[in-house]
Amino acid sequence: EAQVTQNPRYLITVTGKKLTVTCSQNMNHEYMSWYRQDPGLGLRQIYYSMNVEVTDKGDVPEGYKVSRKEKRNFPLILESPSPNQTSLYFCASRDSGSQETQYFGPGTRLLVL
Amino acid sequence: GNSVTQMEGPVTLSEEAFLTINCTYTATGYPSLFWYVQYPGEGLQLLLKATKADDKGSNKGFEATYRKETTSFHLEKGSVQVSDSAVYFCALRAGGSYIPTFGRGTSLIVHP
Repeated sequence: EAQVTQNPRYLITVTGKKLTVTCSQNMNHEYMSWYRQDPGLGLRQIYYSMNVEVTDKGDVPEGYKVSRKEKRNFPLILESPSPNQTSLYFCASRDSGSQETQYFGPGTRLLVL
Repeated sequence: GNSVTQMEGPVTLSEEAFLTINCTYTATGYPSLFWYVQYPGEGLQLLLKATKADDKGSNKGFEATYRKETTSFHLEKGSVQVSDSAVYFCALRAGGSYIPTFGRGTSLIVHP
């Protein structure tokens, strides 16, 4: 089954404690991205990756890092989380064609105390 | 820059009512337009899309027509069901851009 998986699905942490949210896709997609969803703001892209070792900033990259060492994985790293990073996070992937559909993961709900 | 404006929700309807969720956009060039649906507790799923002017996207009884003259992509359904209750997002991706732009989402609540 074609899918995007994220782990963990729920996470409560404290300010400053480094964390990683994993994302994996099994569709051999070149393009992957991370979004955050906040009430009244819709989805905003954090980072995206066009292929292995190729990443770039989205609209709201501050406080986040990503890496793309393998095609299927695209982890999101918060080196020093802060309360304003409390949000719902989605990973997505798509093929490289410009008209292709994005496939979203189920989401990770993060609370930073 | 690019932007997407959706009508604010929640939209509350009775089963079998007609649905319209308005979406207008601002973009350079000729963007592709999308509607995504998010059911409670789940990620977004593509509902329909249109890639050029006058294209009509359709799926599961929902339709939207790409209107370049009015820069709109309104979502419609003739008869909603309780199972259509979800949040609907309008989005665009401008040609050559890797960063899509999403609207803020419109919550739809359908009562039996």
